[in-house]
Amino acid sequence: SYEMSQPPSVSVSPGQTATIPCSGEDLGDKYVCWYQQKAGQSPVLLIYQDKKRPSGIPERFSGSNSGNTATLTISGTQALDEAHYYCQAWDGSTVVFGGGTKLTVL
Amino acid sequence: QVQLQESGPGLVKSSETLSLTCTVSGVSIRNFYWSWIRQPPGKGLEWVGYVFDIQTTATTIYNSSLESRVTLSVDTSKNQLSLILRSVTVSDTAVYFCARHGGNGRGIDVWGQGSSVTVS
Repeated sequence: SYEMSQPPSVSVSPGQTATIPCSGEDLGDKYVCWYQQKAGQSPVLLIYQDKKRPSGIPERFSGSNSGNTATLTISGTQALDEAHYYCQAWDGSTVVFGGGTKLTVL
Repeated sequence: QVQLQESGPGLVKSSETLSLTCTVSGVSIRNFYWSWIRQPPGKGLEWVGYVFDIQTTATTIYNSSLESRVTLSVDTSKNQLSLILRSVTVSDTAVYFCARHGGNGRGIDVWGQGSSVTVS
């Protein structure tokens, strides 16, 4: 079965840029979505089709996908961005999630 | 506004069957893919399965690791989705989410609040 890996944690200082990678074999050939999940809440869709933002998602969230790695970039990171982030893709007809990354803003 | 509300028993005994319902409001379930996704305490998201083509066949696709124990179904008259998980063990303890796929590759754009299930 297809697997996607994410670093368990990433730290960033307020106002700086955070990058969260998601790796998988030939991941660039698939569309990747990104979700944000704050403590005790349901996940929220941040990015779909590698780089598109649903309405209401701030422009500081952006995505890219090439080769074996998709990346979520958060520009001008704010304290309220502290959360878990999950990548997701389709492997044929099945849905696959990465293991998630805890973003700490300190 | 599309809303999803999961419901079910918070506690299930080991070896028994877990049953959850997701009531959808604001949109007909006929026109989208609908997934169940679970999250064990302190862990990441695990896709359980989805149902689609509800208008005709209500086709289901399952996570291969759960396929032998899980059944997804729909009730279009009540605009509800259902999940049944048989022979549960403590490793099935999780928050179970129902969620909508936005279509045309738009990702999972609507999530329920989740239903916490503990297997004792």
